Amino acid sequence: QKEVEQDPGPLSVPEGAIVSLNCTYSNSAFQYFMWYRQYSRKGPELLMYTYSSGNKEDGRFTAQVDKSSKYISLFIRDSQPSDSATYLCAMSPGSGNTGKLIFGQGTTLQVKP
Amino acid sequence: DTGVSQDPRHKITKRGQNVTFRCDPISEHNRLYWYRQTLGQGPEFLTYFQNEAQLEKSRLLSDRFSAERPKGSFSTLEIQRTEQGDSAMYLCASSLAGGGNIQYFGAGTRLSVL
Repeated sequence: QKEVEQDPGPLSVPEGAIVSLNCTYSNSAFQYFMWYRQYSRKGPELLMYTYSSGNKEDGRFTAQVDKSSKYISLFIRDSQPSDSATYLCAMSPGSGNTGKLIFGQGTTLQVKP
Repeated sequence: DTGVSQDPRHKITKRGQNVTFRCDPISEHNRLYWYRQTLGQGPEFLTYFQNEAQLEKSRLLSDRFSAERPKGSFSTLEIQRTEQGDSAMYLCASSLAGGGNIQYFGAGTRLSVL
């Protein structure tokens, strides 16, 4: 079993829809949670970063962490065709560790005009 | 600050040849990471440096792979005697130690081994 599980999709939605992307994990030591966006043949771009449990909002993006359920989510409101990309969740244990990130497989999102 | 820079962007080589990739991190970042990403998968950790010291290597990093960061600035990743299974995107990331270790990635080097 992988430490981080993410449904690869693809997920196809109409423009303007609310998108929900999710990851589950098994390692209770994870404290830092990130979402990256990756366009085809490009490097991952950091979207959201959260520490421990709770919500964080940045524009159209909201990240949620539920450590009790070992479940994290990324919501995209008013989705746009430019949001079409692969979304990667990533996590790492607390500070003092190496900080290497453990990634999910990535979910491919297509937003249709 | 121009972000993390990787060179070359794409490398095509024949099986058995050696290849070397370069990564220039964000200038004030003291940690530098190498990851490998294959099609349809998330990046997998290979190794990381804090300043010039290589502090961790993954079991994925066979003895054909070597990485250096001689002056604590740029880093190189060399693959000797390349195999077709080495074909992947090699990603470099950098961060500041502590404070959540937020990592910023370069555009990657895509390796194709024929």
